Amino acid sequence: QQQVKQSPQSLIVQKGGISIINCAYENTAFDYFPWYQQFPGKGPALLIAIRPDVSEKKEGRFTISFNKSAKQFSLHIMDSQPGDSATYFCAARIGGLGKLIFGQGTELSVKP
Amino acid sequence: DSGVTQTPKHLITATGQRVTLRCSPRSGDLSVYWYQQSLDQGLQFLIQYYNGEERAKGNILERFSAQQFPDLHSELNLSSLELGDSALYFCASSVVGGSSETQYFGPGTRLLVL
Repeated sequence: QQQVKQSPQSLIVQKGGISIINCAYENTAFDYFPWYQQFPGKGPALLIAIRPDVSEKKEGRFTISFNKSAKQFSLHIMDSQPGDSATYFCAARIGGLGKLIFGQGTELSVKP
Repeated sequence: DSGVTQTPKHLITATGQRVTLRCSPRSGDLSVYWYQQSLDQGLQFLIQYYNGEERAKGNILERFSAQQFPDLHSELNLSSLELGDSALYFCASSVVGGSSETQYFGPGTRLLVL
């Protein structure tokens, strides 16, 4: 019940296209949903985050869509660029606790 | 650069040995987290410390232990190492460990157990 399921495992997108990564969860105690970006040899870095009282959050080319009733959230990367090629992790946190529960990750490759 | 430092960057050791991984949090951050990243298990939370005290425990083996010192740096001790302990170990820090705080990750320590 504390899992976060992420799909797809890998994604290839053409430059300028839209990358979409999906996550689903079961535990309704989760109240904070960040997305992390990880480049090879580096630690994960926060990209964007959302709380469940908001259905959408946009920061530049990155948008989180959140569907509380379906217990699903997704990351959309508009106008994808080769520099966006990285592994993306969705995560969730239970209110009052610090630990993050991560999805399995999506390896994104943006082809020029 | 997240401001979180980890040493060493790489560590190669043999089964049965003991190693210590070190983490220095961002200046001003009181909370430290340890995560393990492996191909089969993904990113897994191990343990959290806040201002020197253990706050939360995750999937941490009994062979593993951690502590946070008065200067807020933290160490993760891994003993009786097994091949399956080979992984990337990340430290993260945040201000106080609240549920909406950003966790800043260090560059990780890559452990290889032979």
